Amino acid sequence: QSVLTQPPSASGTPGQRVTISCSGRKSNIGSNPVSWYQQLPGTAPKLLIYSNDQRPSGVPDRFSASTAGPSASLAISGLQSEDEADYYCAAWDDSLNGVVFGGGTDLTVL
Amino acid sequence: QVQLQESGPGLVKPSQTLSLTCTVSGASISSGTYYWSWIRQPAGKGLEWIGRMYTAGSTNYNPSLKTRATISINTSENQFSLKLSSVTAADTAVYYCARDVAGSYYQAAFDIWGQGTVVTVSA
Repeated sequence: QSVLTQPPSASGTPGQRVTISCSGRKSNIGSNPVSWYQQLPGTAPKLLIYSNDQRPSGVPDRFSASTAGPSASLAISGLQSEDEADYYCAAWDDSLNGVVFGGGTDLTVL
Repeated sequence: QVQLQESGPGLVKPSQTLSLTCTVSGASISSGTYYWSWIRQPAGKGLEWIGRMYTAGSTNYNPSLKTRATISINTSENQFSLKLSSVTAADTAVYYCARDVAGSYYQAAFDIWGQGTVVTVSA
């Protein structure tokens, strides 16, 4: 059972906009910045978003994120087949004094 | 560019200590304000943060691992290491080393990852 809760799966068609939620608590998302990661099959995760809504250089602006209280969401617009991957959220947890991850969301592009 | 590479035994016997090393290339491990972390992923499952070490030497660990994990830095070799004691089959996973570029105690942003190394715990 992950500290941060994500839907196990999501799907969309090419060109569509999809969102992935990440639900936490005041001790993690409610107090500290969130990061998001994309993991393609058989590869290491890649940083997509940091500090709640900042994209590292090289990440397309199709990827955006936001937070509201103890929850966060990742949005992918103009969905492409290469976006098919697992997506994880993460944040520091003040109560656990450590980094916590969501359980991951398996995104399928139909 | 900065790259990370994990190394260590792929097979460890139950009750023994798992030892992995992450070699940093392209930059000095002691430059900048980074946290150097270990993260693992059992087959078909999600990511689990193991712990981190700050460049200046402080450490934080996942409380679920209790006192089994130890992370250290060898600046002369530009490496950081993980030791996980008293391993069981539940410790079988892909182990990643990663750089946390956030630079803040209360933030995590793993911008550079190693390719991962598979560790199996079995007799």
